[in-house]
Amino acid sequence: RKEVEQDPGPFNVPEGATVAFNCTYSNSASQSFFWYRQDCRKEPKLLMSVYSSGNEDGRFTAQLNRASQYISLLIRDSKLSDSATYLCVVTRGWGKLQFGAGTQVVVTP
Amino acid sequence: EAEVAQSPRYKITEKSQAVAFWCDPISGHATLYWYRQILGQGPELLVQFQDESVVDDSQLPKDRFSAERLKGVDSTLKIQPAELGDSAMYLCASSPPEGLKETQYFGPGTRLLVL
Repeated sequence: RKEVEQDPGPFNVPEGATVAFNCTYSNSASQSFFWYRQDCRKEPKLLMSVYSSGNEDGRFTAQLNRASQYISLLIRDSKLSDSATYLCVVTRGWGKLQFGAGTQVVVTP
Repeated sequence: EAEVAQSPRYKITEKSQAVAFWCDPISGHATLYWYRQILGQGPELLVQFQDESVVDDSQLPKDRFSAERLKGVDSTLKIQPAELGDSAMYLCASSPPEGLKETQYFGPGTRLLVL
C-alpha cells in the first residue's frame, strides 16, 4: 500500500465551479501536511500547508482529519489557471516529504 | 526572487552511458535534496544533503547512482550506467536553515530520456 494515495482524476471542472478532492495517508505518525501544485512539465510549488483546524488561502480550503487519516483540498470559483496536478504531501520526519501521485484538475471554459 | 538552478534541462542518452546533472540551490540553503519523478507519479527522494554531508540516501540505487556536494553548495547527481528505467524528471530542491524543512523550493528539473 502506498504511503500517500490520491485519486488521479482528471477532475473536469467548469470555470467558476467548486471542486474538492481528498488524499489518504497510511502513517499515523505523519507530522505535517501540505498541498503542492505542479503544472504540466514544471516543478512542484507549495500551494499551502494544512493545519488541524483547517485553513483557507483565498479560494483554496484545506482540511485535515487525523482520525481518518485524510486531507482534503477544495477550490472555489475555479479559474482556468487552476488547471494543474495537485500533489498531497506528508512528512515523516525532518525534511522528509512523502508525495502522493497527484490529482489532475482540468478547468474548462 | 532567488531560485534553484539546474542543468541541463533536457538530456537524451543511450543506455549504458553515463549522465550527470547539476544543481545550484538558493544561496544560504544548507539542505539540498535530489528527487526522481517518473511520469504519472509523485517525486521520490533519492538523497538529502545537510551542507556537504549525506543525511539520507536510503532510496538511492547506489550501484549506479552517486551524488556529491563537495563544498556544501552546488551538487552533482550521476548515473552510470544509465538504464531505460531511469527515464524520468530529476528534481533538485533546497530548504532554508531555519524554519520548517518542509518548505522546499524546487528547481525546474532535468528531463532524462534513456534510449
